[in-house]
Amino acid sequence: AQSVAQPEDQVNVAEGNPLTVKCTYSVSGNPYLFWYVQYPNRGLQFLLKYITGDNLVKGSYGFEAEFNKSQTSFHLKKPSALVSDSALYFCAVRDSGKAAGNKLTFGGGTRVLVKP
Amino acid sequence: DAGVIQSPRHEVTEMGQEVTLRCKPISGHDYLFWYRQTMMRGLELLIYFNNNVPIDDSGMPEDRFSAKMPNASFSTLKIQPSEPRDSAVYFCASSLGGPTDTQYFGPGTRLTVL
Repeated sequence: AQSVAQPEDQVNVAEGNPLTVKCTYSVSGNPYLFWYVQYPNRGLQFLLKYITGDNLVKGSYGFEAEFNKSQTSFHLKKPSALVSDSALYFCAVRDSGKAAGNKLTFGGGTRVLVKP
Repeated sequence: DAGVIQSPRHEVTEMGQEVTLRCKPISGHDYLFWYRQTMMRGLELLIYFNNNVPIDDSGMPEDRFSAKMPNASFSTLKIQPSEPRDSAVYFCASSLGGPTDTQYFGPGTRLTVL
């Protein structure tokens, strides 16, 4: 079975400071990992994904994420947060094994609040 | 491309009524997914299709829910009869054919059942 955990319900950060949103996962095979962002009254927008290769993945809006296999983590980061980054962030995982089909499992979401 | 299109954006209905939610996936995408988002349960996968065929409906809550995909450009999610606990935001998403492909989400339908 595949699962993902986002241990923080909310992250508060001052504008200009680094932003980190945590995600850990559990799969039986190799993980395919995704980050999405949701703004109020909007659908989920894709930020970035890790499939294979370089552990540091760069995505949209200056976000990046680091895959750490030994810690089964895929934390989202941004060096300098903007007020406009305030939103709900979702981590998602899919097991590379065929039994997982094409199903993504999402974490519970982390609300990010960036204060001016 | 216009992205995934959902209609209506908002639906308010009374308990017992039939509700139909509609989705047009991105052209060329082979997979279509229906999700439900609530405060209590987060984002849940209800059902997904591959080339118009339902592959996994294990997330469909009960027989009151049904989904169809009559062709590659249209899918419906129907609730009959609706209940207040069905109130949620329903998202449709689509992706290309592989397990590494990104799912792209529509704007969602906010359903309120009174």
